[in-house]
Amino acid sequence: GQNIDQPTEMTATEGAIVQINCTYQTSGFNGLFWYQQHAGEAPTFLSYNVLDGLEEKGRFSSFLSRSKGYSYLLLKELQMKDSASYLCALTTGGFKTIFGAGTRLFVKA
Amino acid sequence: GAVVSQHPSWVICKSGTSVKIECRSLDFQATTMFWYRQFPKQSLMLMATSNEGSKATYEQGVEKDKFLINHASLTLSTLTVTSAHPEDSSFYICSARDPREGRTDTQYFGPGTRLTVL
Repeated sequence: GQNIDQPTEMTATEGAIVQINCTYQTSGFNGLFWYQQHAGEAPTFLSYNVLDGLEEKGRFSSFLSRSKGYSYLLLKELQMKDSASYLCALTTGGFKTIFGAGTRLFVKA
Repeated sequence: GAVVSQHPSWVICKSGTSVKIECRSLDFQATTMFWYRQFPKQSLMLMATSNEGSKATYEQGVEKDKFLINHASLTLSTLTVTSAHPEDSSFYICSARDPREGRTDTQYFGPGTRLTVL
């Protein structure tokens, strides 16, 4: 089976940097995703890590350590619109994706 | 990226009725689609994997006779909630993988359907 842990809520200030951690246990691993979800909307893709290391995409970066079962999403230059839930998700065999409970990020002025 | 649509966006129905939700891949053919359910302030729970031309694969605890899935074409999967009850009220989201992207597991999500059962 799979188990994914991430903090329930975080608060950060506009313009700052925030790191959202995700730890996981899984019997099979194909890749790790981060999705952003605004209230009442479907998730949107942010990043995908298959190999260890840092993937950078604009203001968003994601890191993966497969040996430690650990990932983080780094958001720089926070904007008010970044207030959302951030979902850490694992893919196992058969392209099946299992989601963590999500971290609700509140960005304050 | 690939585009997935869902219809309807929201639906209100009476207890005991059945509701059908459609999920379409608009610019690609999806041999596999996924159905999720999300309760307020909770994460997405995978309900089933919909396979074109074959039976869906349901996750543990999901009643296949209650949540009927049909994937009759490469661009359409439907989820029918039969004899809906208030506890079935939820946000239902479908997703699809674009096979043109090779081995990537990236899924593209539909906008979701909010079901309210009175």
